[in-house]
Amino acid sequence: EVQMLESGGGLVQPGGSLRLSCAASGFTFSTYAMSWVRQAPGKGLEWISSISGSGRHTYSADSVKGRFTISRDNSRNTLYLQMNSLRAEDAAVYYCAKGTYCGDNCFSFFDYWGQGILVTVSS
Amino acid sequence: DIQMTQSPSSVSASIGDRVTITCRASQGIGTWLAWYQQTPGKAPKLLIYGASSLQSGIPSRFSGSGSETDFTLTISSLQPEDFATYYCQQVNSFPITFGQGTRLEIK
Repeated sequence: EVQMLESGGGLVQPGGSLRLSCAASGFTFSTYAMSWVRQAPGKGLEWISSISGSGRHTYSADSVKGRFTISRDNSRNTLYLQMNSLRAEDAAVYYCAKGTYCGDNCFSFFDYWGQGILVTVSS
Repeated sequence: DIQMTQSPSSVSASIGDRVTITCRASQGIGTWLAWYQQTPGKAPKLLIYGASSLQSGIPSRFSGSGSETDFTLTISSLQPEDFATYYCQQVNSFPITFGQGTRLEIK
């Protein structure tokens, strides 16, 4: 059974940092691209960042480029999102999502999602 | 960036009704389109991928169609568990973008 569990969220002051983790199980982690998607309270879904199965290829939204870094440790079956210089508008529930397979530098639909982790940015 | 525009933004319907939600892409995306269902407090669930392929475990009352810029999600006979918010998503190119969502409410 595919499972993904996010951790590392919480309350942080503006300008602060957090690192989110997503521990995955039930599939061959290194084979699949992974992504982060966020949802601000009462708002829609916003794609944040994706990383290929090998970790060699990464893509990020302009809204977080230069502040957030996606990475993965295939030996630990874990996806990360390092978030720096956090702003009030980064407050959201953050989801990790598994991509369907389509090759290493190929990114496709999100077939499994974690339960989400809340990030609050406030002084 | 490819903009995804869903309509309507909200719809009211009754159990047993047929409902259609549309999604328009600002440029052609082939069939690199998915539909997700989200209920309050839960993660999104993949319903349809490749514009028309039904994800495993999803009831056959859900169907998708379209290509390039115009897509539809149809629920043939609404069930109580279908009242949720639906999002389309394009994965043709980065940045990956979602539609703004369609809230399906009970009439």
